[in-house]
Amino acid sequence: AQSVTQLGSHVSVSEGALVLLRCNYSSSVPPYLFWYVQYPNQGLQLLLKYTTGATLVKGINGFEAEFKKSETSFHLTKPSAHMSDAAEYFCAVSLDNNNDMRFGAGTRLTVKP
Amino acid sequence: EAGVAQSPRYKIIEKRQSVAFWCNPISGHATLYWYQQILGQGPKLLIQFQNNGVVDDSQLPKDRFSAERLKGVDSTLKIQPAKLEDSAVYLCASSSSGFKNFGPGTRLTVT
Repeated sequence: AQSVTQLGSHVSVSEGALVLLRCNYSSSVPPYLFWYVQYPNQGLQLLLKYTTGATLVKGINGFEAEFKKSETSFHLTKPSAHMSDAAEYFCAVSLDNNNDMRFGAGTRLTVKP
Repeated sequence: EAGVAQSPRYKIIEKRQSVAFWCNPISGHATLYWYQQILGQGPKLLIQFQNNGVVDDSQLPKDRFSAERLKGVDSTLKIQPAKLEDSAVYLCASSSSGFKNFGPGTRLTVT
């Protein structure tokens, strides 16, 4: 069965600094990988997803993630943090687009002025 | 296009009481999901519908939880009787070609 581990339940960065949120996955077959963002009292919003093809995936709000099969990782990055990026971020894995999606425990991003 | 709608947004009940949540998916979306998100954890799938049939309910505590999707559109999730550990956000999502759209969730507090 597939699973996801997010390293660091809480990450704090200064405004303008690099954002790096770590995600490692486990899957017996080539996975579909996702990053979602959740703002307070709101549902999950898809940031980006990897299915096949190019391993560097660009998403909304300036975020991107790179699928590294050798490291079983799918870390999320953004070159320059903005105050509006403060939220909870979830990494998820599934076997295909419609299969049961397994989520990580989430990483809360705080952005300091 | 309107998003996934859920109601109520918040609910507080006492343990052993019953509660029901409602979800209206995006029009035309055949697949509907209910997730439970406990504080500090990622969402966990409870049940997946394809039209009005159940595809996966392996993680649904069937002794107290039930869900239905009549006519393949709206869905209700019921808990009877509720326990303290059911306190969580219940998220509904729908999809047509695999891309999941999540609703805002219902925050349930069981006291």
